Amino acid sequence: DAKTTQPPSMDCAEGRAANLPCNHSTISGNEYVYWYRQIHSQGPQYIIHGLKNNETNEMASLIITEDRKSSTLILPHATLRDTAVYYCIVRVSVPFSGQNFVFGPGTRLSVLP
Amino acid sequence: DAGVTQSPTHLIKTRGQQVTLRCSPKSGHDTVSWYQQALGQGPQFIFQYYEEEERQRGNFPDRFSGHQFPNYSSELNVNALLLGDSALYLCASSLAQPQETQYFGPGTRLLVL
Repeated sequence: DAKTTQPPSMDCAEGRAANLPCNHSTISGNEYVYWYRQIHSQGPQYIIHGLKNNETNEMASLIITEDRKSSTLILPHATLRDTAVYYCIVRVSVPFSGQNFVFGPGTRLSVLP
Repeated sequence: DAGVTQSPTHLIKTRGQQVTLRCSPKSGHDTVSWYQQALGQGPQFIFQYYEEEERQRGNFPDRFSGHQFPNYSSELNVNALLLGDSALYLCASSLAQPQETQYFGPGTRLLVL
């Protein structure tokens, strides 16, 4: 079972920031938070990941709370092409640790014109 | 820099047949993971290959088997196909190091009739 909880769907107006929440209250100290998205019928696309510090790249920002029990993925200026299912996953980054990416149902983000 | 590639893109088989799906990892990657994604669900981990050996396996029957070649490419074989094997099959590649971010291919859509 997935270790994360996400809202099943969200809407966002085009040009506005999209803030996607994720709860991971049972996260362990050595587990990273990963975000992927999947546009209809394509393979999942890596977005960003982090351990405890906030992270930013060209696609998004990841804000992790101090107790690491939740996080928020921020798309600063959402476009129609950001419409997708967004998956939040927690996982240790230790090779062959017995853990793998466990995908839950994710959040279906609809960016509206 | 070539990303993860998969072939074929689509495939139709009948119950009881066998199928082989192929994956070429992202340049420089040495680890390949396979996932099954049924319609409307998140991807489910099948198994992972590193150094030509299966390193980890999800909850899938022995009808699902794989292979990794010296050039790191991989095959997924499914025997005695069932209607329930109809799904999108995803390959992901990564490096077997601490930052084990997986990058996904576009997938192979398998339909079993």
